This record gives sequence, structure tokens and C-alpha cells, in this order.
Amino acid sequence: QVQLQESGPGLVKPSETLSLTCAVSGYSISSGYYWGWIRQPPGKGLEWIGSIYHSGSTYYNPSLKSRVTISVDTSKNQFSLKLSSVTAADTAVYYCARFASYGYYYIYYWGQGTLVTVSS
Amino acid sequence: QSALTQPASVSGSPGQSITISCTGTSSDVGGYNYVSWYQQHPGKAPKLMIYEVSNRPSGVSNRFSGSKSGNTASLTISGLQAEDEADYYCSSYTSSIVVFGGGTKLTVL
Repeated sequence: QVQLQESGPGLVKPSETLSLTCAVSGYSISSGYYWGWIRQPPGKGLEWIGSIYHSGSTYYNPSLKSRVTISVDTSKNQFSLKLSSVTAADTAVYYCARFASYGYYYIYYWGQGTLVTVSS
Repeated sequence: QSALTQPASVSGSPGQSITISCTGTSSDVGGYNYVSWYQQHPGKAPKLMIYEVSNRPSGVSNRFSGSKSGNTASLTISGLQAEDEADYYCSSYTSSIVVFGGGTKLTVL
């Protein structure tokens, strides 16, 4: 059974960089599939942040592209999210996820989510 | 404003059927067979219910079905049960990005 677990600071100051890591168990990232991040502001809907293929190719939401970096570390079987210059609007529950094997068309496995608050 | 349009809320009584619509454009819903639906209970992560318009993942009840006509996709839940009460989100792949609907709150009366 594939499991994903997000980790990182729950509080980030405005203008700083949000950094989260997703540890994967039950499957080796280097074997394939697309991986990525989705966020959900409190009381609001879902927003796709970006996706990464196991080889390292990345795909980002155009609205966040200038501030987002997603990377993969196959040696640790984990992938990461960095979001720079954060503001209060970036306060959200951040989910890491595994997409389909042939494209980031749908999300089959989700992490439990981690709340990140942007505040001084 | 979400890229895909869903009704804010729908309701139904146990045993009834309900349908949630998801309207996009010819560039997303209408242009690709990559529409998916997610169920989210309060405080929980979303769960995949339908992928590629009408496919059900293993373990999802056959009471859930999906379809598409033109630029509008639909999720139908038949034999409504109390545990179906949740938020439902549609999603579509379009031109290298993923877009979501604003979500629909399903209330089981």
C-alpha cells in the first residue's frame, strides 16, 4: 500500500520560503509515476501546484510558476516543494500526491495534508 | 474564480439519485477525456472516485458513475447513503495543467 507523508514547518513568515517534503513508502519513486502537490486554503477549494515525473521533469501551475520549485530525491524516496515569497494568501493545507503512471491526469493517492500558516 | 464550474450545493434523500455537474470549455472538459472526481469529508484528504470521465478505481462503490457531454461532465450517485454526505470536486487536465472545480457540498437529508 502506497503511503505519502508531508512534513515541514507549520508556520512561515511573510516573504520567506515555504519548504515541505513528502516521504513515500510502499513504492519506489524511481520506478515511475508522476508525483506532485495540491493545496487547499481553509474553507476553500483545491488548487494544483505542480507535478514532477520520477525522472525529474516538472510541470507547474502558471499562476505559481515564478515562485515554485518541485524536486525529487530518489535516494531518500521523497520529493519536495519550495514556494518563495509567501504571503497570507499562501496559507493552506498542502497535500502531496501520486498521480497516474502515464500522466498527471488524476490523483490516486493523497497524503493526509499539512496546514501551513503564513504569519509574522 | 475556479476554472471549472460546479453548483455550490446539492441535496437528496437516502435512496435517491443525485447528479453533480462540472462545466468547463472545449479547452479542458470538452477537449480531453481526463475528467476526475474527488470526494472529501471534513478534515480529511480527498479520495478519487472517478477518473478519465467514467472509470471507477478499485474499491469505489458502483453507486458512483461519471459521464461527459460536450463541455460538461457529471457525477451521479445512486442509492444515496448518509456516508455520501461530503464535498465533491471535479478536475480536468488541460494543456499541461490541472484545473479543479470550486466544489459541491452534498447534503443527505
